[in-house]
Amino acid sequence: QSVLTQPPSVSGAPGQRVTISCTGSSSNIGAGYDVHWYQQLPGTAPKLLIYGNSNRPSGVPDRFSGSKSGTSASLAITGLQAEDEADYYCQSYDSSLSGEGVFGGGTKLTVL
Amino acid sequence: QVQLQESGPGLVKPSQTLSLTCTVSGGSISSGSYYWSWIRQPAGKGLEWIGRIYTSGSTNYNPSLKSRVTISVDTSKNQFSLKLSSVTAADTAVYYCARASSSGYPSYYFDYWGQGTLVTVSS
Repeated sequence: QSVLTQPPSVSGAPGQRVTISCTGSSSNIGAGYDVHWYQQLPGTAPKLLIYGNSNRPSGVPDRFSGSKSGTSASLAITGLQAEDEADYYCQSYDSSLSGEGVFGGGTKLTVL
Repeated sequence: QVQLQESGPGLVKPSQTLSLTCTVSGGSISSGSYYWSWIRQPAGKGLEWIGRIYTSGSTNYNPSLKSRVTISVDTSKNQFSLKLSSVTAADTAVYYCARASSSGYPSYYFDYWGQGTLVTVSS
C-alpha cells in the first residue's frame, strides 16, 4: 500500500489530454512538500518529468505539466502520442514514519 | 553529464547480505549539495525508496528496511554502496542508484538514475 495514491491505469487516444492524480495526506503533499513526477518506459529506468510540482527539466516537452492543490497533485499530458505510453510515478517527502522518499504506486498510461 | 552505474552480484542466497556499488562519473560525488540514493523495484511493481546518504556521511533509511540497510560513500572512488542484510525472496528486485537534488528543504527529487541492476535472491 503506497503512501501516495495513484490510479492504476488511465488511457486516451492520440491527440487527447489525460491527467493522472496523486493523492497524499497531511504528512506529505498536504504539508506543503513538493511533488515530482517520473516517466518509466518499459524496461528502462525512471526519468524525471516534473520537479517542484510544476517545473520541467530541460528536454521535457511542454505537453507535460504538473500542478498541486491541497493534499493532491496532478500530471497532465496534452496532445497524447504513442511514445507517451509508459508508467508514471509521483514522489514526495513524508515527515511521518513512512520515510522520507515516498512514491505513488504508479499509473500505466495506455495510448489507444 | 552525470552518469551512474550499479554493479554487484546478480544472485544472492537467502539470509546472506546483498552488496551493490554505484559508480558516479561526469562529476565529483562530493561537489554540490546532493543526496545519493538507492531505490528498488520488484518485477511488475512500483518504486520503493531504500535510503540516501550525503557526502558528509549522514544517512536516512526507509523505516521498513532500516534494521537491515547500510549505505556508505567512498568519495576517493566516486562511489556509494548499499548493503542489505538477511535477504529473502521478497528482496528480489531491480535496484537503482540515483542522485537526489533539492527542490527546497526538505523536498528532493531524483534527477539522475543508473540503468538498474537485477538482484535475485534464491538458493
